[in-house]
Amino acid sequence: KAGVTQTPRYLIKTRGQQVTLSCSPISGHRSVSWYQQTPGQGLQFLFEYFSETQRNKGNFPGRFSGRQFSNSRSEMNVSTLELGDSALYLCASSLYGRFYEQYFGPGTRLTVT
Amino acid sequence: AQKVTQAQTEISVVEKEDVTLDCVYETRDTTYYLFWYKQPPSGELVFLIRRNSFDEQNEISGRYSWNFQKSTSSFNFTITASQVVDSAVYFCALSEGYYGGSQGNLIFGKGTKLSVKP
Repeated sequence: KAGVTQTPRYLIKTRGQQVTLSCSPISGHRSVSWYQQTPGQGLQFLFEYFSETQRNKGNFPGRFSGRQFSNSRSEMNVSTLELGDSALYLCASSLYGRFYEQYFGPGTRLTVT
Repeated sequence: AQKVTQAQTEISVVEKEDVTLDCVYETRDTTYYLFWYKQPPSGELVFLIRRNSFDEQNEISGRYSWNFQKSTSSFNFTITASQVVDSAVYFCALSEGYYGGSQGNLIFGKGTKLSVKP
């Protein structure tokens, strides 16, 4: 069974730009959650999508948004990038949701200059 | 408010030593879930265990064991006879919620970096 894939793996953007990250979950998984990992704040929950609906959102500004498609693939968008958005963005898929076992992808390393 | 504290930032042991990673949590809910994840140098988090608040049974899986104590709000993780491959950052996490529910955040501790030296 293929694991969770995230593209791109590395990304360098300039302040003020926007970025879209992609996540393909494990086949059959309907839940996709996104997390931001930084040295200072650690791992923080961004949001979860389940069957194309956003279930819950963490404490992040509206510049962070996401969506999920009918094939469960998910995208995360960050608009008007700030230096503080530099982080590893992790995607996780699950059969039932973030309260259950989650399988994580390798992450997308975003650097904002 | 939810909070997860992993007081040990870094631990270094020699192979074959036993090591315990501490996790203390805070929550007002009676229904919640606790998790442990491992993040090896490659970066991908790996699920280790999930425990709900109504199940205080300790669990053993090979060299891994978990001690859940509601009375002290702790969910500690012990690796017996550690190996170099156990070197990783270990995260404890707490989620308030209920089966089938959609509300509730998932809070991670800051992680404990475990180095196992040969």
